[in-house]
Formats: sequence, C-alpha cells, structure tokens
Amino acid sequence: NAGVMQNPRHLVRRRGQEARLRCSPMKGHSHVYWYRQLPEEGLKFMVYLQKENIIDESGMPKERFSAEFPKEGPSILRIQQVVRGDSAAYFCASSPQAGGDNEQFFGPGTRLTVL
Amino acid sequence: GQQVMQIPQYQHVQEGEDFTTYCNSSTTLSNIQWYKQRPGGHPVFLIQLVKSGEVKKQKRLTFQFGEAKKNSSLHITATQTTDVGTYFCAGGRQGSNYKLTFGKGTLLTVNP
Repeated sequence: NAGVMQNPRHLVRRRGQEARLRCSPMKGHSHVYWYRQLPEEGLKFMVYLQKENIIDESGMPKERFSAEFPKEGPSILRIQQVVRGDSAAYFCASSPQAGGDNEQFFGPGTRLTVL
Repeated sequence: GQQVMQIPQYQHVQEGEDFTTYCNSSTTLSNIQWYKQRPGGHPVFLIQLVKSGEVKKQKRLTFQFGEAKKNSSLHITATQTTDVGTYFCAGGRQGSNYKLTFGKGTLLTVNP
C-alpha cells in the first residue's frame, strides 16, 4: 500500500515562473491537506480539500496560490509568478476521514527553491 | 487566531538522559497530535490525545494532555541516538479540528 506521493521532490524556479506541486493521497483517502514549512519552522496549514471541493483555504495567500483536487488525478498546488519568499518545503497529507481526529499521513514533500 | 507555543526550541542530551518537550495553546483544543520529523524528512505521526488529562505511553515515550486541554507534553526516557529529530505538537481547533496548528517544534540531538 503506497503512502502519500508527492512530485517533484525538488523544484527550482526563477522569479516570475509558475510552480506546480502534485500530491497523490494514500489509496482510499479522499481528504487532502497542504502545509508549508519554512526552515526551522513548524508546518503552516494552507488548504483542506476533498474530491472536487475546497473545504477550507483560509491558510492560502490570497493571490498567486491555488489548489485543486479533481475527480481523477492528483491534488495540485499551483503557485503563479513565484517570488523568493515562496521558497519552502510544501507537504501534502491525507486522511481516510474528515477531521483532525484522524491521523494525517504526510508525503515526502516538495522542496521549492526560487532563484 | 489560535497559537501553539512549543519549548524548548532545541535540546541536546547525552545518550541515556531523559528529554521533555512542552506545548501550550492559546485556546482550548479538541485534540492534540504529536509528530516526529527526521532531518530532511517528513512528519510522521506518533500519537493523538483527545481526552482531558489523558496519558499515553509508547515504549520510552510518554504523552500527556492537560486537564484544560490547552497544554501537552512528550517525555522520552533514556534517549537513544535513533530519537534524533524534531518533535512537533499539532492542535486541532474545536469546531474545525481538521485544521491542525503546529508548534515550531523541538529539535532533539543526542550525543552518543
């Protein structure tokens, strides 16, 4: 049973380019969470999605960031016109049921570097 | 908004010594989870506490949830080099407990 998969593991972009981060949840999990982690910081909640629905995006910056979880395929976190401050590790987690009462299984993360 | 403070930020111990990290929330939590992240790795779930005053043990690890559900601690007895990593607490908010608020973590290093 494969765990949460994220790709790419490392992504380098120049300022102004777009970054697309992909997350495939564990089999049977329909709840996906995205977090951002700056160096020596904890994880910051960004967005919570279920299939085809954004449930809570209160942690997402208002501009340039968007997320989706289509009926088929992985969840995508998209960052347009990246800036140096977007450099961070982005982790995706999934759970089989809704709510924080359930363990969240984390993927290996995508480490984004903006030059 | 909800804040979760975690101390200490760093802890260096000799192998065999005990280690404790503490977590405090500005608001009452619905639950608290603990994760371990090895350097360069991803967070791995350790445990969840839900009930007021709850205590759970996993081998050398003891987890506590305060009576007011606003604080928690993780204690490791007789640390080993394999315990190295950053330990995070993450609190679930009442009413929207899927939104985990993470502490900044405690980085534990163990001298063999």
